Amino acid sequence: DAGVIQSPRHEVTEMGQEVTLRCKPISGHNSLFWYRQTMMRGLELLIYFNNNVPIDDSGMPEDRFSAKMPNASFSTLKIQPSEPRDSAVYFCASRIGAQGGQPQHFGDGTRLSIL
Amino acid sequence: ILNVEQSPQSLHVQEGDSTNFTCSFPSSNFYALHWYRWETAKSPEALFVMTLNGDEKKKGRISATLNTKEGYSYLYIKGSQPEDSATYLCASYGSSNTGKLIFGQGTTLQVKP
Repeated sequence: DAGVIQSPRHEVTEMGQEVTLRCKPISGHNSLFWYRQTMMRGLELLIYFNNNVPIDDSGMPEDRFSAKMPNASFSTLKIQPSEPRDSAVYFCASRIGAQGGQPQHFGDGTRLSIL
Repeated sequence: ILNVEQSPQSLHVQEGDSTNFTCSFPSSNFYALHWYRWETAKSPEALFVMTLNGDEKKKGRISATLNTKEGYSYLYIKGSQPEDSATYLCASYGSSNTGKLIFGQGTTLQVKP
C-alpha cells in the first residue's frame, strides 16, 4: 500500500513568493495532520483535520499560513507571502479514526528553503 | 499546556549494549502514549501506541512499558545495533480524545560499531 505522499520533496523559493505544499493521505485514513520540524522547536503540530474538517489550527503561526482539505485524498498547506523564517521541513501525517489509539503515518516531508 | 519530556537528550552506546530512555507526561486526562523512531533524513515511523496502565509492548529487540499513574514510559533496546541509531520520539495528547499529539524533543541514540 502507498504511504502518505507529499510533494514537492524540496522547494527553494524567494521571500515573498507563495508556496503550496501538497499531501495525499493513506486511503481510508480520515485524520490528517500538518507538522513543521525546526531545530529550535522540534516537531510541532500546525493543523489537523478529521473527515476533511479542520479541528484545531491553533498551531498555525500566523495569517500567512492556510490549509485546506477539499476531499479525503488531498490536502494543501499554503504560505503567502513566504519569509525566510518559514524555512523548515514540513510533514504531513494521516491516521485511521478520529481518536488517538492509532498511530500516525508520516510522509517523507517537504524541505522548504526561503531565500 | 501539556509538556512531554524525554531524557536523556542524547545517548552514545557501543554495539551490543542494552539501553533505555524515559518519557514523562502529565498523568491526568491520559489517553494514549505513542513512540516513534526517526532516522536521519527520513520520516518518523510508529513503534508503539500504548493506552493501558501496565502495558508492555515489544517489537524485536525494542520494548516499552507504560505507567499512567505516575506519568512515565520507558523504551528499552536490547543488544543495540548500529541500525538502531535514530531519534526516538514519544508523544501524548493535550487532553482526552483529541487529535493533537504533543511530541517530546526526542532521545537521539548513536550506536558505535
